[in-house]
Amino acid sequence: DTGVSQDPRHKITKRGQNVTFRCDPISEHNRLYWYRQTLGQGPEFLTYFQNEAQLEKSRLLSDRFSAERPKGSFSTLEIQRTEQGDSAMYLCASSGSGRLTGELFFGEGSRLTVL
Amino acid sequence: GENVEQHPSTLSVQEGDSAVIKCTYSDSASNYFPWYKQELGKRPQLIIDIRSNVGEKKDQRIAVTLNKTAKHFSLHITETQPEDSAVYFCAVFSGGGADGLTFGKGTHLIIQP
Repeated sequence: DTGVSQDPRHKITKRGQNVTFRCDPISEHNRLYWYRQTLGQGPEFLTYFQNEAQLEKSRLLSDRFSAERPKGSFSTLEIQRTEQGDSAMYLCASSGSGRLTGELFFGEGSRLTVL
Repeated sequence: GENVEQHPSTLSVQEGDSAVIKCTYSDSASNYFPWYKQELGKRPQLIIDIRSNVGEKKDQRIAVTLNKTAKHFSLHITETQPEDSAVYFCAVFSGGGADGLTFGKGTHLIIQP
């Protein structure tokens, strides 16, 4: 499968614990995005990488959230001291550059439940 | 930032009829307008998109129209089938700022047999 893959698909954790999600984008894509989606809502932008550089962070991304893409390939999203309000689907997407800018391909998502 | 409004939030149509979903946006610099279909528990999947240099695009039973002056675009599905039942999201790409897509809140399309 050459699509965007995310791991784990589901995570249940207790409030206050740290969690980390991983995203492997489509190999030739240099742009990688993290979105959060709650029930009944559209995906909300969290952060964006071009290669290894994190170019933009949404104000939705509190200090407890950190994302990395150390070698410009896979990315991780870590949430520290989780809160119940963090429960959501975390979606990763990737895209190429040039004329196809904006065309995002999504992974299946990592669903987080904070008890 | 970009503001995207999507209507209706729920749309129920008889199988075989047409469905139309509309979105408006605020940033006149926006230049890319995709539509995503999301089935329950699945990833959003791109079904059709349009760029700002065209007014209409069609792919079999699906079409998208864009009015840049009025800053709105619409998804049209003809001859609806049960497998069209899903949540549909419009999105807007501005190319600046967040450099990502801003999504509408979604339309739950229900195809009645």
